[in-house]
Amino acid sequence: KQEVTQIPAALSVPEGENLVLNCSFTDSAIYNLQWFRQDPGKGLTSLLLIQSSQREQTSGRLNASLDKSSGRSTLYIAASQPGDSATYLCAVEEASGSRLTFGEGTQLTVNP
Amino acid sequence: DAGVIQSPRHEVTEMGQEVTLRCKPISGHDYLFWYRQTMMRGLELLIYFNNNVPIDDSGMPEDRFSAKMPNASFSTLKIQPSEPRDSAVYFCASSLSSGRVGEQYFGPGTRLTVT
Repeated sequence: KQEVTQIPAALSVPEGENLVLNCSFTDSAIYNLQWFRQDPGKGLTSLLLIQSSQREQTSGRLNASLDKSSGRSTLYIAASQPGDSATYLCAVEEASGSRLTFGEGTQLTVNP
Repeated sequence: DAGVIQSPRHEVTEMGQEVTLRCKPISGHDYLFWYRQTMMRGLELLIYFNNNVPIDDSGMPEDRFSAKMPNASFSTLKIQPSEPRDSAVYFCASSLSSGRVGEQYFGPGTRLTVT
């Protein structure tokens, strides 16, 4: 059974700092990996999707990398802003089916 | 497009009552997913449909839960009878694929409280 772990569970940084969120998964037979953002009381917003054949994806100040063989992904946020404060979740789609398995999330707080 | 629409946004009901949650996916999307989110268990997939057909319902907790998708623009998740442990936020999501799931778009969720 696929298990997805995110470290750290919570992170507090000052505005302007660069930061890295980590995601690991136990079964490397994945089709893709997605990073989502969830604001309090809201649904999830897809940030980046990395296909299993790709190494990274970039969108603005966000960069996500994928090392499928080691079962790891990182989300890099450059020049963090208070508006980046949210919970970030990673999810993997298994190669054997179309299910998404989610991590528990990292709660990020960026202090002005 | 208005995105994925869910109703109601909040539902408070008493134990034993029937609860029906509704979802309208993004027009043209061929996958629809129902998730449940709790503090204890995080985000869990309950069931998903492809072209209105249920593909995987292994996440449905028990027979009290049922889901239908009568057409491409509407789905329901029903709990009968409801129990306090069903209290959670229920999300609907949809995606457009070319054979795989693709990028999922989530609705705002329905916060269910069963007393």
